[in-house]
Amino acid sequence: EPEVTQTPSHQVTQMGQEVILRCVPISNHLYFYWYRQILGQKVEFLVSFYNNEISEKSEIFDDQFSVERPDGSNFTLKIRSTKLEDSAMYFCASMPRTGGTYGYTFGSGTRLTVV
Amino acid sequence: DAKTTQPPSMDCAEGRAANLPCNHSTISGNEYVYWYRQIHSQGPQYIIHGLKNNETNEMASLIITEDRKSSTLILPHATLRDTAVYYCIVRVPDYLQGAQKLVFGQGTRLTINP
Repeated sequence: EPEVTQTPSHQVTQMGQEVILRCVPISNHLYFYWYRQILGQKVEFLVSFYNNEISEKSEIFDDQFSVERPDGSNFTLKIRSTKLEDSAMYFCASMPRTGGTYGYTFGSGTRLTVV
Repeated sequence: DAKTTQPPSMDCAEGRAANLPCNHSTISGNEYVYWYRQIHSQGPQYIIHGLKNNETNEMASLIITEDRKSSTLILPHATLRDTAVYYCIVRVPDYLQGAQKLVFGQGTRLTINP
């Protein structure tokens, strides 16, 4: 069964450093998302991406965050200057297209630890 | 905010049917009910969805009441691997409004006991 692949599985970074989280969505999917989950809390939406632009973003997704699909296969989330409160699990998800009632496919996540 | 209400936790014996309830009393006519689960700290996994008819797939069954104000996810023969947090989410289908975000609540923590 096709999978959404995320790398690395765990990243430790120092406060103030830039970090890039990588995702390879399912190849024929068109809609891409980032979610995050702080330990013990709900899964929260960050951003959705379609047709090479952001479709929607949450209040969490401020100027420190950016997304990119640089080569048609990878989908990246960049945090420019990490803060302690950015420590969380980050999940990438994709969906094939609209015109139906599909479920999302999520990746297994990247655990980001900011020290 | 999530538009559903679920019990925070439930227990079920291995091999028995696990019935997870969800209230969505403010659901609108074109909103579907989706169920996802999250095993430990893995990414959420899609289970099933429905509009008004009961649905069944290889993972589970979904029973939606006639007034659509509540639903029940049924895992017919629960195994230890079904221990997870289960999320009930209502949303308009994408063919009406384009792909939208999922809004997760706290879900139900289901524990399958041996």
